[in-house]
Amino acid sequence: EDKVVQSPLSLVVHEGDTVTLNCSYEVTNFRSLLWYKQEKKAPTFLFMLTSSGIEKKSGRLSSILDKKELFSILNITATQTGDSAVYLCAGEIQGAQKLVFGQGTRLTINP
Amino acid sequence: NAGVTQTPKFQVLKTGQSMTLQCAQDMNHEYMSWYRQDPGMGLRLIHYSVGAGITDQGEVPNGYNVSRSTTEDFPLRLLSAAPSQTSVYFCASSQHLLAGRHTDTQYFGPGTRLTVL
Repeated sequence: EDKVVQSPLSLVVHEGDTVTLNCSYEVTNFRSLLWYKQEKKAPTFLFMLTSSGIEKKSGRLSSILDKKELFSILNITATQTGDSAVYLCAGEIQGAQKLVFGQGTRLTINP
Repeated sequence: NAGVTQTPKFQVLKTGQSMTLQCAQDMNHEYMSWYRQDPGMGLRLIHYSVGAGITDQGEVPNGYNVSRSTTEDFPLRLLSAAPSQTSVYFCASSQHLLAGRHTDTQYFGPGTRLTVL
């Protein structure tokens, strides 16, 4: 059974801290891994990772994929209160035309 | 572009009632899907469609029907609502999500919060 597991499920830090969110996957015919940020409503796309070891960056956010160990991390540096959200990762199944989502990590940034 | 729109935003049903959640996109996307989101469960795929006239089941299809008569619309029907279907429902679309083509950015609608009493 295809499975994506995120950890921790919940994280509370102070503004300015750096956080690392984890995503491990067991997906048959894995094609890519995606990260989303969900605030009050719909998830918004952050990154898509297809190749191992190549870091993707967007401002203070970065992410990397390890296809040998089957995990990805999402780093956020110099966190701000606006980073408070649920972060979702999803594995894309090649040939099955669908995404399998993890449970999400609820990140709270306190001022 | 309006993007992905969903109606209604909120709905309360009694057990056994039926209803249709509407989803529309104006980006000419081939791929559309329905997810439900429950606390601690992430997003689970209900049904998806890779184009007009083509639908398939996702992870949790029981109790739901879909159809895709046009590229723009992908309604989700609850045949006989049950309390276990209380959830937040998201519709999403992307240009393509096919073998041999990378996932494009998937755009999500604002969600429908459904409560079944």
